Amino acid sequence: GNSVTQMEGPVTLSEEAFLTINCTYTATGYPSLFWYVQYPGEGLQLLLKATKADDKGSNKGFEATYRKETTSFHLEKGSVQVSDSAVYFCALIKWNAGNMLTFGGGTRLMVKP
Amino acid sequence: DTAVSQTPKYLVTQMGNDKSIKCEQNLGHDTMYWYKQDSKKFLKIMFSYNNKELIINETVPNRFSPKSPDKAHLNLHINSLELGDSAVYFCASSQGVNEKLFFGSGTQLSVL
Repeated sequence: GNSVTQMEGPVTLSEEAFLTINCTYTATGYPSLFWYVQYPGEGLQLLLKATKADDKGSNKGFEATYRKETTSFHLEKGSVQVSDSAVYFCALIKWNAGNMLTFGGGTRLMVKP
Repeated sequence: DTAVSQTPKYLVTQMGNDKSIKCEQNLGHDTMYWYKQDSKKFLKIMFSYNNKELIINETVPNRFSPKSPDKAHLNLHINSLELGDSAVYFCASSQGVNEKLFFGSGTQLSVL
């Protein structure tokens, strides 16, 4: 079946540091890939997405590139802020297979001033 | 052992029926949630319970009623189902309202 694996947290960084959160997936065919963010005390929000190989999703300074050859969708940001502290979830949808999101385990990011 | 389990995985039903989706977590968490995945793949929070008490109740039709018999269970009852209720519903839990979510595998509801 489909699965998503992302790095265990927490990830602790200083403000303005470079962020990478790794995400790899297992799925046949060409799933769509997503990053969701859970800010403290809030529900999940869609951060960015990519629907085909080599697509780059971007939002709020975050980027992730759909790499079919490595089945990866790593999240990056060049300069993190304290306000980026949250839990980040990588997810996929395999079309024509129920259209259900499959989530990774989530990675908590803590950014210190 | 599955940490957050929801049943059924697929639910196909007729308009006007009443149905329930069950959710159980064995993580000892205090807080449980129901999310709805819409057609654009946004996840919208519907309800949140902390220690069996309702703490979040977003603008959801009152045909949807959560029921938490104990901390480990949060069931979603839907009355008079409508075509627009067709969606994927996710249960989740966390240890406290600001902690990481653990998701169930989703329930795809199809209303015909």
